[in-house]
Amino acid sequence: EVQLVQSGAEVKKPGESLKISCKGSGYSFTSYWIGWVRQMPGKGLEWMGIIYPGDSDTRYSPSFQGQVTISADKSISTAYLQWSSLKASDTAMYYCARRSLRGPSYYFDYWGQGTLVTVSS
Amino acid sequence: QSVLTQPPSVSGAPGQRVTISCTGSSSNIGAGYDVHWYQQLPGTAPKLLIYGNSNRPSGVPDRFSGSKSGTSASLAITGLQAEDEADYYCQSYDSSLSGSHVVFGGGTKLTVL
Repeated sequence: EVQLVQSGAEVKKPGESLKISCKGSGYSFTSYWIGWVRQMPGKGLEWMGIIYPGDSDTRYSPSFQGQVTISADKSISTAYLQWSSLKASDTAMYYCARRSLRGPSYYFDYWGQGTLVTVSS
Repeated sequence: QSVLTQPPSVSGAPGQRVTISCTGSSSNIGAGYDVHWYQQLPGTAPKLLIYGNSNRPSGVPDRFSGSKSGTSASLAITGLQAEDEADYYCQSYDSSLSGSHVVFGGGTKLTVL
């Protein structure tokens, strides 16, 4: 069974750093791209970026380029999303999702349960 | 402002049919990119509902169907049930000078009356 299990909720202060994780299981982790999606409170889905754990090739949405860093450790089947200096506006639910193999109009066939990040002084 | 436009809300009575539209442009849906749909039940992660415009993953009831024409796509739900009350999102790709990127619609809240 394919599963993406994300790390738990975080409460941070503005200016702090944070790294959240997404562990894949039940499939070949290095063969599928993993994407990250933001959902701000009461709002819609926003694509942030994507990584191919096989070689760590990473692509970012223009809206998030330079704001976050996406990485992966294929030895432990885990993808990461990190911030070096959080802002209150980073408060949101963050989802990881596995991208389909079939393209070019890829879709996300499995999703993690989400990690709630709250940034408040 | 989302690249793909969806109505903020739709509603219907149990047993009825509702449709949700997803309107794009020549740089996304109109460029030939497929449209996919996700269902997000309250307090849960999104779930793939329709892929490749009209295909249902295993386990998705055939009450859900998708179509695409020109620069738009639609999700239809027949035989509406209370458990269908959720947010629905369309997703495609958009080509720009910076490359092709995933784009989502703004989401549509379905209320079952």
